[in-house]
Amino acid sequence: ETGVTQSPTHLIKTRGQQVTLRCSSQSGHNTVSWYQQALGQGPQFIFQYYREEENGRGNFPPRFSGLQFPNYSSELNVNALELDDSALYLCASSPGLAGKNEQFFGPGTRLTVL
Amino acid sequence: AQSVSQHNHHVILSEAASLELGCNYSYGGTVNLFWYVQYPGQHLQLLLKYFSGDPLVKGIKGFEAEFIKSKFSFNLRKPSVQWSDTAEYFCAVNTPPGNQFYFGTGTSLTVIP
Repeated sequence: ETGVTQSPTHLIKTRGQQVTLRCSSQSGHNTVSWYQQALGQGPQFIFQYYREEENGRGNFPPRFSGLQFPNYSSELNVNALELDDSALYLCASSPGLAGKNEQFFGPGTRLTVL
Repeated sequence: AQSVSQHNHHVILSEAASLELGCNYSYGGTVNLFWYVQYPGQHLQLLLKYFSGDPLVKGIKGFEAEFIKSKFSFNLRKPSVQWSDTAEYFCAVNTPPGNQFYFGTGTSLTVIP
């Protein structure tokens, strides 16, 4: 059974650019959640996708958007990058809504914005 | 907005010592509570969770946590730690039906052999 995978592992962008991060959920999981983890902080919930629909969103601006595909993999898109967007972005999948099921986390994508 | 506080940022214990890590949250409604652990070089993984029922929940590796509603707390405990418990521990709260998740800032535990 393959776990949660994320790509790329590292990424460097400049302010104003756009970025797309990808996540493959664990087999049998229909829910993907995205988190931003700044250095020395806990993960901050960005949003959750359940069966291809956004189902819960944290306090992030609209320039953070996402998609979930029919195979339940997911993308996180961030437009107009700012320096403060530099962080580790974590994806987690679960066999149902994350509030009631165990989340399985991926290794993360380290984004640096210059 | 909901917040989760972990007051112990870094804890150092000797093997066989008892552990208690504090977690407090600010939401007054129904909550689902979690403790996650990240061992060095590994992904975040679930230690234990509380949804309802018995407020004392047991997780993996001998960990347990107690939900005290009146204190808005969900402290993590282990009677006797091992060197292999060295890790970062995160408390998390889910607030249904909004399906939002809130993590604390984490507590780094170092166990000295």
